[in-house]
Amino acid sequence: QVQLQESGPGLAKPSETLSLTCSVSGGSISGYYWSWIRQPPGKGLEWIAYIYYRGNTDYSPSLKSRATISLDTSKNQFSLKLTSLIAADTAVYYCARGTVTVAGIFDTWGQGSLVTVSS
Amino acid sequence: DIVMTQSPDSLAMSLGERATINCRSSQSLLYSSDNKNYLAWYQQKPGQPPKVLIYWASTRDSGVPDRFSGSGSGTDFTLTISSLQAEDVAVYYCHQYYSTPWTFGQGTKVEIK
Repeated sequence: QVQLQESGPGLAKPSETLSLTCSVSGGSISGYYWSWIRQPPGKGLEWIAYIYYRGNTDYSPSLKSRATISLDTSKNQFSLKLTSLIAADTAVYYCARGTVTVAGIFDTWGQGSLVTVSS
Repeated sequence: DIVMTQSPDSLAMSLGERATINCRSSQSLLYSSDNKNYLAWYQQKPGQPPKVLIYWASTRDSGVPDRFSGSGSGTDFTLTISSLQAEDVAVYYCHQYYSTPWTFGQGTKVEIK
């Protein structure tokens, strides 16, 4: 059973860059699409970006200028960098796996990493 | 972007009652080449990540109880819980994967009356 685990700083300052990593265990990163999704406290879900195991990427236009998603197949991990942080970036950040056949059906999720942006 | 709008925002039903959640998309989610609706439903319990219940608008994911069913096509969709159980207390989200940016509805909170 594949499991995902996010790791992140917990607290970040405005204008700084956020780095998050998702470690994939119990399965390979190959063959799948991998996404980052966030959820501000008490609010709904927002898809940020995906990366295919071959390196293809796509981003939400609202975050495209500040977000970079990348993959490290040797470590079975993928990552998200978000620059120029603002308070509105405060959220639980989830990593999720798309199914083998459809990138946008998220069949496995991490537990989430809460990131608070505050000075 | 495709806008997903759910109704109601919240509902409270008695145990054993039928609960119905609606979802409307700002454009059709029916892909003509495969005749499939690119619509999923997720359940999120407090303190947990979302869990997929339904995809292709009406296909239950493995292990999902059959009291959960999805219906609809094009722009109008429904999630039905045929007999509400205590463990169904959660927020439910519809989600379109027809085109990026993939988007979610605002969520419907289901509680026990």
